[in-house]
Amino acid sequence: GAGVSQSPRYKVAKRGQDVALRCDPISGHVSLFWYQQALGQGPEFLTYFQNEAQLDKSGLPSDRFFAERPEGSVSTLKIQRTQQEDSAVYLCASSPTDGNTDTQYFGPGTRLTVL
Amino acid sequence: DQQVKQNSPSLSVQEGRISILNCDYTNSMFDYFLWYKKYPAEGPTFLISISSIKDKNEDGRFTVFLNKSAKHLSLHIVPSQPGDSAVYFCAAIQYNFNKFYFGSGTKLNVKP
Repeated sequence: GAGVSQSPRYKVAKRGQDVALRCDPISGHVSLFWYQQALGQGPEFLTYFQNEAQLDKSGLPSDRFFAERPEGSVSTLKIQRTQQEDSAVYLCASSPTDGNTDTQYFGPGTRLTVL
Repeated sequence: DQQVKQNSPSLSVQEGRISILNCDYTNSMFDYFLWYKKYPAEGPTFLISISSIKDKNEDGRFTVFLNKSAKHLSLHIVPSQPGDSAVYFCAAIQYNFNKFYFGSGTKLNVKP
């Protein structure tokens, strides 16, 4: 069956450019998470959705970061006016229910490089 | 502040031997702990988990041990196989919160 997919897989942006990263979770999954993984580090929580509701956005590093999941399925992470420190792999994960001990299924990530 | 720490960036083990990966945490409110495995260019995949009410959970070759008083967990892989070579992340969460905290990972190399 289809897993979590993310697009694009690689993105190179010039400093100041806006980018949009897409996540297609497993069909029917209620919970969706975004993480930022810097080189040599573990994933860091950015935000959490339960269906279309964004219940936690405490990990978003600045107001340049915005995430949405308008219909409770596909999600987009948008970064405005990208900076070099935004360079990282952005991981999306989904889980079947709203239970926080559910297994999270991760996508392959989008590697963002800001020049 | 890093609430979950993996102090060994890498570990090399001979095939057939035991691999022991360690993880420490600082938040005593964490209730649930997980290990993920990650191959290059792929997302992490769930391996094994343990609730804070237990001190051991076993699944085939993989066993996770939790020492709450020391705020320490470890993953044992016995016997290690070359296909186990990957980066292993530990993660922790507090019940009723959906924010997972990950360590920085340990790269395991199992030599044939």
